[in-house]
Amino acid sequence: DSGVTQTPKHLITATGQRVTLRCSPRSGDLSVYWYQQSLDQGLQFLIQYYNGEERAKGNILERFSAQQFPDLHSELNLSSLELGDSALYFCASSVGGGRADEQFFGPGTRLTVL
Amino acid sequence: AQSVAQPEDQVNVAEGNPLTVKCTYSVSGNPYLFWYVQYPNRGLQFLLKYITGDNLVKGSYGFEAEFNKSQTSFHLKKPSALVSDSALYFCAVRAFSGAGSYQLTFGKGTKLSVIP
Repeated sequence: DSGVTQTPKHLITATGQRVTLRCSPRSGDLSVYWYQQSLDQGLQFLIQYYNGEERAKGNILERFSAQQFPDLHSELNLSSLELGDSALYFCASSVGGGRADEQFFGPGTRLTVL
Repeated sequence: AQSVAQPEDQVNVAEGNPLTVKCTYSVSGNPYLFWYVQYPNRGLQFLLKYITGDNLVKGSYGFEAEFNKSQTSFHLKKPSALVSDSALYFCAVRAFSGAGSYQLTFGKGTKLSVIP
């Protein structure tokens, strides 16, 4: 168990809908990262927050947004969902935002868009 | 931009034999390299990292990795494979991506199957 929790584990929804994925980092970790894992794209970095502020952006679509709250938990919002958004979404956390910090991954949320 | 290549989609090895999972990278500046393992229906677990210093890095579960700067490689190794090592292995590089941030870029993963 990495100490990173994600809810829900599974999410099934329809095209055009909006969903929110939630992540709680390990105790003491200030950075939260979001990743998308799909068969065709592999593991793609979406966005990073550090202590409540956006730190880095990767291949995140404009339909997606995220935030990190004062208690350091984070939410990833996916809107106007398309079939291609079906994937496993991982949250990870690290102590800081430095490049030597290893990231600890949560179990993921499997999103299915029908 | 940084990139990671894992040239083998799948590696099969007999239990008890040594295993190698290959990784090459491309990055500007000094690379910070990582290996992660993913078991079915689980998140990624950190195995080891190379930051600087000794080219041979030892990690969890008996795994080690050899950093080779001239070949831009960071191959994962284990002297004696176990059936329980069967999983998906990811190599990753972390490099500066602007504005004080460092992005972790993953390879596509290599499925390791250890045959009893």
